[in-house]
Amino acid sequence: DAGVTQSPTHLIKTRGQHVTLRCSPISGHKSVSWYQQVLGQGPQFIFQYYEKEERGRGNFPDRFSARQFPNYSSELNVNALLLGDSALYLCASGAGTSYEQYFGPGTRLTVT
Amino acid sequence: AQSVTQLDSQVPVFEEAPVELRCNYSSSVSVYLFWYVQYPNQGLQLLLKYLSGSTLVKGINGFEAEFNKSQTSFHLRKPSVHISDTAEYFCAVGLSGGYQKVTFGTGTKLQVIP
Repeated sequence: DAGVTQSPTHLIKTRGQHVTLRCSPISGHKSVSWYQQVLGQGPQFIFQYYEKEERGRGNFPDRFSARQFPNYSSELNVNALLLGDSALYLCASGAGTSYEQYFGPGTRLTVT
Repeated sequence: AQSVTQLDSQVPVFEEAPVELRCNYSSSVSVYLFWYVQYPNQGLQLLLKYLSGSTLVKGINGFEAEFNKSQTSFHLRKPSVHISDTAEYFCAVGLSGGYQKVTFGTGTKLQVIP
């Protein structure tokens, strides 16, 4: 079975631009969470979606938004990019209310 | 709010020696605890988890961890490390009864020396 997939793998954007990152969860998983991992730090929670509804939001500005589609895939959108948004963005999927999350390989975003 | 402290940013250890990676957490309610491993340029892989029950948890690749509620610790151990264990290890905590927000520590880089 395929694991969590994310696209693109790498992305380079300019300050002020907009970016969309995509995630496909493991088949049968209805929960998707997004994390930001800045170099040298642990992942920071951004959002969790379950059954297409936002279940939780971390301490990130409104420039960050996300949504989950009927097939449970998800998009993370970031507007007005700043240099500090450069990071590895990780998506994790889970089954129901289980805390066991499976992570994708991440999207490396570089803002110049 | 919960928080996680990983006391060592880097741990060098010789191959076949034992290792302990330390993790302490802070929370006013019941928690779930996790250890993840991250190899270079990859996502995170779950090593083991404590949800309830036995305080000694065994995971993949020969790792185990012990939940100590009185000391609010969840240290990761392996009796004999291999070169392939070289990676970054993250301790994480989630709140029971809530949505699946997981708070990660800052990570410990394990360097296995041949």
